Amino acid sequence: DSGVTQTPKHLITATGQRVTLRCSPRSGDLSVYWYQQSLDQGLQFLIQYYNGEERAKGNILERFSAQQFPDLHSELNLSSLELGDSALYFCASSLLSSGGPTGELFFGEGSRLTVL
Amino acid sequence: AQTVTQSQPEMSVQEAETVTLSCTYDTSESNYYLFWYKQPPSRQMILVIRQEAYKQQNATENRFSVNFQKAAKSFSLKISDSQLGDTAMYFCAFMAGGTSYGKLTFGQGTILTVHP
Repeated sequence: DSGVTQTPKHLITATGQRVTLRCSPRSGDLSVYWYQQSLDQGLQFLIQYYNGEERAKGNILERFSAQQFPDLHSELNLSSLELGDSALYFCASSLLSSGGPTGELFFGEGSRLTVL
Repeated sequence: AQTVTQSQPEMSVQEAETVTLSCTYDTSESNYYLFWYKQPPSRQMILVIRQEAYKQQNATENRFSVNFQKAAKSFSLKISDSQLGDTAMYFCAFMAGGTSYGKLTFGQGTILTVHP
């Protein structure tokens, strides 16, 4: 158990809809990262938050947005969903924006999104 | 931009034998980290081993060791005494230091099957 909690574990929705994925980082971790794993794109970095502020952006679509709240949990909002958005979305956390003492990111179990 | 290449889509090994997974990367960064992550059928991303680029000594974690060839930009993973529980997808990943910390660039993955 990494200590990172993601909900929901599975989500099935229709095209055009909007969903919110939630992530609770490990206790004490200030940085949250979102990654997408799909058959087409593999594993790719989406976005990073550190202590409530956006720190880095990767290949995140404009239809997607994220935020980190004062209690450090994060939400990834996916809107106007398309079939190609079907993927496993991972959240990871680390202590500092420059990673933990060992440089390790701790991953949650992911949220499996299926768009029909 | 960094790229990570895993040229072996699938590998298989007999239980108790040794297997080596290959990974090459391309970067102009001088400060970076390399990782091997394991993703079993449960889909959890589990850190197997890490290597700091400034360290010449190859990292070792129990049955797992790496062969880090910095000049050749190669980072292979050796699994000794393979166990059935090692069956998983293995990802090689790159992380630049500094402001890029936390942004992992993953390879395409290698599916490893350990046969009894």
